[in-house]
Amino acid sequence: EVQLVESGGGLVQPGGSLRLSCAASGFTFSSYWMHWVRQAPGKGLVWVSRINSDGSSTSYADSVKGRFTISRDNAKNTLYLQMNSLRAEDTAVYYCAREASSSGEVDYWGQGTLVTVSS
Amino acid sequence: QLVLTQSPSASASLGASVKLTCTLSSGHSSYAIAWHQQQPEKGPRYLMKLNSDGSHSKGDGIPDRFSGSSSGAERYLTISSLQSEDEADYYCQTWGTGSWVFGGGTKLTVL
Repeated sequence: EVQLVESGGGLVQPGGSLRLSCAASGFTFSSYWMHWVRQAPGKGLVWVSRINSDGSSTSYADSVKGRFTISRDNAKNTLYLQMNSLRAEDTAVYYCAREASSSGEVDYWGQGTLVTVSS
Repeated sequence: QLVLTQSPSASASLGASVKLTCTLSSGHSSYAIAWHQQQPEKGPRYLMKLNSDGSHSKGDGIPDRFSGSSSGAERYLTISSLQSEDEADYYCQTWGTGSWVFGGGTKLTVL
């Protein structure tokens, strides 16, 4: 069974940093591209970042470019999102998601972790 | 620019059918999309991938009550025999060069 379990969320002050983790199991993690998607309270889903299967290629939404860094450790089956210079508007539930093999859609989601940026 | 447009809300009666629409922006009518369901206070769940020709492949455990179809730039999700647990937000999603795009979501109310 495919499982994606996020952790690392919490309350952080504006300008602070946080690192999210996503532990993957039930599939060959190193074969799949992975993404982070966020959802502000009461709002829709917004794509944040993507990393290819070996970690050599990444992309970011303009709203987080230069502040967030996506990475992965295929030996540990874990996806990361390092978030720096956090702003109030980064407050959201952050989901990790698997991209279907040889395709472009999400086929599995994690349960999410809440990040709150507030003083 | 690749954009997906969804109606904010829809409603239908218990046991009835409902058809939700996702519209691709001009010049992108050949794109495939995916449909996702988000029940209240839960994470999203993948429903299906829907191609421009209407062919679709569903995620693990998705009931036959859920089906997809396409017409031009429109992508549809039809839910038949509506149940109370179908009350949820439904999002369409597509993909461009290195990024994903989501529609704004449709809140489905089961009456």
